[in-house]
Amino acid sequence: GAGVSQSPRYKVAKRGQDVALRCDPISGHVSLFWYQQALGQGPEFLTYFQNEAQLDKSGLPSDRFFAERPEGSVSTLKIQRTQQEDSAVYLCASSLGSWNTIYFGEGSWLTVV
Amino acid sequence: GDSVTQMEGPVTLSEEAFLTINCTYTATGYPSLFWYVQYPGEGLQLLLKATKADDKGSNKGFEATYRKETTSFHLEKGSVQVSDSAVYFCALSVGGTSYGKLTFGQGTILTVHP
Repeated sequence: GAGVSQSPRYKVAKRGQDVALRCDPISGHVSLFWYQQALGQGPEFLTYFQNEAQLDKSGLPSDRFFAERPEGSVSTLKIQRTQQEDSAVYLCASSLGSWNTIYFGEGSWLTVV
Repeated sequence: GDSVTQMEGPVTLSEEAFLTINCTYTATGYPSLFWYVQYPGEGLQLLLKATKADDKGSNKGFEATYRKETTSFHLEKGSVQVSDSAVYFCALSVGGTSYGKLTFGQGTILTVHP
């Protein structure tokens, strides 16, 4: 597609359940970012990939969060043993490279009950 | 650390009114500054940007000027339309090894009435 595609758009998980969120970046985009957006707040950086290399994971809130991009295109954000505080919108974004315009997907809304 | 502070919302205006949304920042380096907009049901979109002091970014009638002396990047529009109703985010990115990752403000909800 023409834009960044994320799935699922909406996910309700029971506390303790594992979830996986998928991101299809714009074709040819080298850089990929994940952000977390809590209700009423701005997005906060989680992690960054350049191709398949995860160059920065300083924003991941705990070791329950894991991201991968094994072939340098599609990325998956995995959250293990979900907690209520993980409820948020998870945004994926991509760009042609460092310092190029960043394009965002519509987000995956995660609710942990 | 780096941070962005936006004026508290929500902001409610009548059509054709003048809009200002204040944004100030704190950065360890020399940042680039951005305004992103999120329309209902859509993803974040880049509205405008400025990469150095005194630069003015503009798009769709919106403008913002990079003011280094006041560490500000206020968003303005002379005459708002109903279709401008959205959430507006001010953001920055700094140099070095940050890869251009963005630090966002908390967002300002704008509602424009006919």
